[in-house]
Amino acid sequence: QITLKESGPTLVKPTQTLTLTCTFSGFSLTTSGVAVGWIRQPPGKALEWLTLIYWDDDKRYSPSLESRLTITKDTSKNQVVLTMTNMDPVDTATYYCAHETTVTGGVFDYWGQGTLVTVSS
Amino acid sequence: EIVLTQSPGTLSLSPGERATLSCRASQSVSSSYLAWYQQRPGQAPRLLIYDASSRATGIPDRFSGSGSGTDFTLTISRLEPEDFAVYYCQQYDTSPVTFGGGTKVDIK
Repeated sequence: QITLKESGPTLVKPTQTLTLTCTFSGFSLTTSGVAVGWIRQPPGKALEWLTLIYWDDDKRYSPSLESRLTITKDTSKNQVVLTMTNMDPVDTATYYCAHETTVTGGVFDYWGQGTLVTVSS
Repeated sequence: EIVLTQSPGTLSLSPGERATLSCRASQSVSSSYLAWYQQRPGQAPRLLIYDASSRATGIPDRFSGSGSGTDFTLTISRLEPEDFAVYYCQQYDTSPVTFGGGTKVDIK
């Protein structure tokens, strides 16, 4: 059974750096073809894909946010970490981590419950 | 990047009725690399359809997807009470992956 869960601060100040951790079970990020991504959703708005990391440490970033994002993995802990610098109130959103299906790349078949991050002074 | 436009924004229907949701892409989505997700209030998105027409594991057959190129459709043949939610399309043909703005299906 695949599960994912996001953790991290619920409130950050403008200009601060956000660090979120995705802890997962039921699969391994050392298995060929496996990937974990981050997607966010501002309150009442649509989904926005942020970044993805593959089993071989290949990484993909949203072009509009690439300069602010870093994704890493710790396979010994079954964790993926998202770092976003220079946070702004427009970054207020629910942040989800998700497992990319191995059937067809780019599709997310398991999602965490999400964590709401508010950016405010 | 590929922009996905979903219509209508809101669809008001009664249980038992048929729902037809549209997703139009700003450029052709090759190999029908398009997915649909359902999101109920307060919950994470749930994968319904991938590759335009393949149902994900455990998804009831009242959900079906069709289309190719720039025009895609999600059809719910007979709405059940739990189907009233927001639906998003997503393309994964071209990086970056993009999502549509969503269609809300609410109770008439």
